[in-house]
Amino acid sequence: QSVLTQPPSVSGAPGQRVTISCTGSSSNIGAGYDVHWYQQLPGTAPKLLIYGTNNRPSGVPDRFSGSKSGTSASLAISGLQAEDEADYYCLSHDSSLIEYVFGTGTKVTVL
Amino acid sequence: EVQLVESGGGLVQPGRSLRLSCTASGFTFGDYSMRWLRQAPGKGLESVGFIRRKAEGGTTEYAASVKGRFTISRDDSKSIAYLQMNSLKTEDTAVYYCSREVLEMGVSGKWFDPWGQGTLVTVSS
Repeated sequence: QSVLTQPPSVSGAPGQRVTISCTGSSSNIGAGYDVHWYQQLPGTAPKLLIYGTNNRPSGVPDRFSGSKSGTSASLAISGLQAEDEADYYCLSHDSSLIEYVFGTGTKVTVL
Repeated sequence: EVQLVESGGGLVQPGRSLRLSCTASGFTFGDYSMRWLRQAPGKGLESVGFIRRKAEGGTTEYAASVKGRFTISRDDSKSIAYLQMNSLKTEDTAVYYCSREVLEMGVSGKWFDPWGQGTLVTVSS
């Protein structure tokens, strides 16, 4: 059972804005550790989408943005496109487990 | 281009062994700690373990679910990381990925980038 909880699914129409939450605790996100986000398209390996809570690697569209507050973090996708349909995972460090942990994953569906 | 390529997956019977390889290119392999991760069919991502770079001792850490059965090693001269899997169980069936650990000033905590394409390990009789 993961210590980072995400909603199983979110959906939106093309052009809309959706957000994915990643809820942790005082031993991970709340302890000040940054959150990283991955996008996994069907049948492919995870790809880094956001690092250090709100930084985009080169090549990632600025439609993707990250933030965090307290013990939670969020990934926002604005101007939703059909190609954004994928699974999304958050990642952070947990000081109690002394390990890096992934969120439970969220499937984004474009209606 | 930074690239990781896994190999060695396949079908194996419970209790048997398998060794996976992760061949790196496009960066100085010895400067990075390397991690193995897996994803069971239809499930989420799980860290299997990692090996520190030589400058940090080259030591290893493992998830509780594989500790004592799996061993990670590295050959910096060949830019390859290995995952030796012994006493395999049906629950080890997954796509196995390797990744590079990245750490930057100003960011609290590492992330894993890039990931290889993955290699499927199926444990079944």
